[in-house]
Amino acid sequence: DTEVTQTPKHLVMGMTNKKSLKCEQHMGHRAMYWYKQKAKKPPELMFVYSYEKLSINESVPSRFSPECPNSSLLNLHLHALQPEDSALYLCASSQERDSYKGNQPQHFGDGTRLSIL
Amino acid sequence: QQQVKQSPQSLIVQKGGISIINCAYENTAFDYFPWYQQFPGKGPALLIAIRPDVSEKKEGRFTISFNKSAKQFSLHIMDSQPGDSATYFCAACAYGGATNKLIFGTGTLLAVQP
Repeated sequence: DTEVTQTPKHLVMGMTNKKSLKCEQHMGHRAMYWYKQKAKKPPELMFVYSYEKLSINESVPSRFSPECPNSSLLNLHLHALQPEDSALYLCASSQERDSYKGNQPQHFGDGTRLSIL
Repeated sequence: QQQVKQSPQSLIVQKGGISIINCAYENTAFDYFPWYQQFPGKGPALLIAIRPDVSEKKEGRFTISFNKSAKQFSLHIMDSQPGDSATYFCAACAYGGATNKLIFGTGTLLAVQP
């Protein structure tokens, strides 16, 4: 079992629907991430939150809207998605980079498998 | 310069053999190199990681070898088992105003035959 919990595990939605993906961690991490992963490909970074503020948006279309309500929760709001948005959406968390230890490991959830009809 | 090149794309190893996956990078600002293991239907799980101040790190059957001058690093899986069959991703991370931005390799699908 991973320490990053994502819900739902599977989601099927039409192109006009609005849905949200949820991610939760209780490791005290202050950085949280959304990734998109297509079959047989590596994860692609979408968004990074640092101390509950959006620090990186990798030019993601506005039909994806992230939200970080508190340090343990991360949401991804979906609206008017396209069939090519079907993928595994992964959430990850990490400690912030430490000036002494350097970059910290990211821990992933098991993802939400999203299918757009 | 932000790429991490990974090879081979796929690998078949007999049970008990050694699996070797290689990665190379260009950006000398990378300072953290993790390896992730991913099973079908699961998220990537951190396997082992290394920083450039050491040339080798071993955890159980898994070893990372790091060559800073060649800008290459590799994962060795000793005594490979069928349960090791998974996709392996190398990654690199740099600090440049962006928190822990991981750059992934393209992945290696490992099959360990019994």
